[in-house]
Amino acid sequence: GQQVMQIPQYQHVQEGEDFTTYCNSSTTLSNIQWYKQRPGGHPVFLIQLVKSGEVKKQKRLTFQFGEAKKNSSLHITATQTTDVGTYFCAGRGTDKLIFGTGTRLQVFP
Amino acid sequence: DAGVIQSPRHEVTEMGQEVTLRCKPISGHNSLFWYRQTMMRGLELLIYFNNNVPIDDSGMPEDRFSAKMPNASFSTLKIQPSEPRDSAVYFCASSHGAALEQFFGPGTRLTVL
Repeated sequence: GQQVMQIPQYQHVQEGEDFTTYCNSSTTLSNIQWYKQRPGGHPVFLIQLVKSGEVKKQKRLTFQFGEAKKNSSLHITATQTTDVGTYFCAGRGTDKLIFGTGTRLQVFP
Repeated sequence: DAGVIQSPRHEVTEMGQEVTLRCKPISGHNSLFWYRQTMMRGLELLIYFNNNVPIDDSGMPEDRFSAKMPNASFSTLKIQPSEPRDSAVYFCASSHGAALEQFFGPGTRLTVL
């Protein structure tokens, strides 16, 4: 079946450093979504990418969808302590979203 | 809008007992999802409904788990009998369509002793 993997599993950074998480699917995706889950909280939708090669920005966050629509990345510039949490990608294959394994980000002040 | 509502927020029970988790989706959403989250297995989709009809229950672990959606504003996930390995956070989410943005509830933290 369809699988969505993310790397790294964990990332610890110093505040101000950049952070990137990568998402890879075993199959071509119709679209990809990104969610953030704060410690003790629930996943919250961040963004959706649909087009091949699409790039979207939200302040310090940059999201990319690969040309082959099988991978995606989330890059955070100059991390802040408020960025702490787990970031999930979720890819749509045929009819449902498959959530990735998540990347847990810890930011040290 | 109040968002997705789940109850109870915390449940502690003993092995062998029946557990019922409840969810009220956002009004107007026609897709509802049940997820289980653990440290070991991450976020797993258990089952999802479209227009109150179960579409994919391939993620339901075993026959001890059952889910119903009797109407557009209510769903339940039942575990009978519960086992310690069922301990997890169970999330309910809803959306306008199965592949669109999902809105998650606060979750139910289940502990089975």
